[in-house]
Amino acid sequence: DAMVIQNPRYQVTQFGKPVTLSCSQTLNHNVMYWYQQKSSQAPKLLFHYYDKDFNNEADTPDNFQSRRPNTSFCFLDIRSPGLGDAAMYLCATSRVSQPQHFGDGTRLSIL
Amino acid sequence: GEDVEQSLFLSVREGDSSVINCTYTDSSSTYLYWYKQEPGAGLQLLTYIFSNMDMKQDQRLTVLLNKKDKHLSLRIADTQTGDSAIYFCAEIMNTGFQKLVFGTGTRLLVSP
Repeated sequence: DAMVIQNPRYQVTQFGKPVTLSCSQTLNHNVMYWYQQKSSQAPKLLFHYYDKDFNNEADTPDNFQSRRPNTSFCFLDIRSPGLGDAAMYLCATSRVSQPQHFGDGTRLSIL
Repeated sequence: GEDVEQSLFLSVREGDSSVINCTYTDSSSTYLYWYKQEPGAGLQLLTYIFSNMDMKQDQRLTVLLNKKDKHLSLRIADTQTGDSAIYFCAEIMNTGFQKLVFGTGTRLLVSP
């Protein structure tokens, strides 16, 4: 049974057109993470939520925002996608200091 | 720095053992992890080891930890074609929030 679910698996958007990626979890974990991964490189942490507390990485572009309306859901909003934002976006969840569990990712393409 | 290093590529024959190596940076890391990523998929947690352990075995997987050299390895016994994937090691950085830092990834190719 999928425990961290990302929708959609593939997303195509136009240059500059806002896009939202979705993540939900059935694990009741209090921490949720968003990573960006390009071309089989290591995943790069964008930000995470510890319960309702939002924590942005210092080098995450302002173009990337996130919302966590409740424990189960977390969204990644890209306000004005550029060609360089084409990547796989991975959501993960964990309890504090416990291993992170990943979804299958959303592959974002920019036209 | 935060560079966790792995060799880029490993090729083995089906039935052989595979050993994937990782050099990490933070000697105070409490946990070290191995994740597997198949093409087009997310990361699957394979196994992890607590820093006070030298070895952990889980079915075909054996993890060895050398804290002195900050070296971690993953041995896969009787490697199968389904093991072909990218393997990432990761360490927890004990700087404020426990951030997970991934290695560069090793692509394992298993040939019949």
